[in-house]
Amino acid sequence: GAVVSQHPSWVICKSGTSVKIECRSLDFQATTMFWYRQFPKQSLMLMATSNEGSKATYEQGVEKDKFLINHASLTLSTLTVTSAHPEDSSFYICSARLAGYTGELFFGEGSRLTVL
Amino acid sequence: AQSVTQPDIHITVSEGASLELRCNYSYGATPYLFWYVQSPGQGLQLLLKYFSGDTLVQGIKGFEAEFKRSQSSFNLRKPSVHWSDAAEYFCAVGAFSGGYQKVTFGTGTKLQVIP
Repeated sequence: GAVVSQHPSWVICKSGTSVKIECRSLDFQATTMFWYRQFPKQSLMLMATSNEGSKATYEQGVEKDKFLINHASLTLSTLTVTSAHPEDSSFYICSARLAGYTGELFFGEGSRLTVL
Repeated sequence: AQSVTQPDIHITVSEGASLELRCNYSYGATPYLFWYVQSPGQGLQLLLKYFSGDTLVQGIKGFEAEFKRSQSSFNLRKPSVHWSDAAEYFCAVGAFSGGYQKVTFGTGTKLQVIP
């Protein structure tokens, strides 16, 4: 099946710094990518939908200036957590949908962010 | 807006026993339905999906699910559970909202397998 790769898998940063997480579709083009946040022992919460070449669509309650999403190409979307604080510590997962294919999402391995 | 309910937070079964994980959805039209599995600290892997057609769907690792429109359910089943099936299972519904498709996940069911 299609492969989605996230980098880094683990990141620890100091409070106030910014962190960038990359999501790449390795063997297919993804016009749409999704960013999820997963709190411990909870489900995935959709943060935003990233469309190649246009602005991301954020879910209600997600701070656009806090979580910057860029989808510069058909194979790469990035999530930047700006001025990170301990409450931003979480597991962030991206997913990508095949261009022209309805429904199925392919997930990255996830990125564990710890803000000290 | 669509929603998904997984009523069982935690299920324990014996290895070799059968398994059924429940999933109910809410959506005004025919949804796209998925089951994903997540191992600790990892991303999600698709087990199976339903878009249309045969309501009994076969997936990987011996899993199957049945779409029942009258009950708004999409329960996941496996006839004989293996220890390696211990993981968290998420049911999800995909629906078009605001011009694009959005996938909403249930809260997950954690499966424990005992010898």
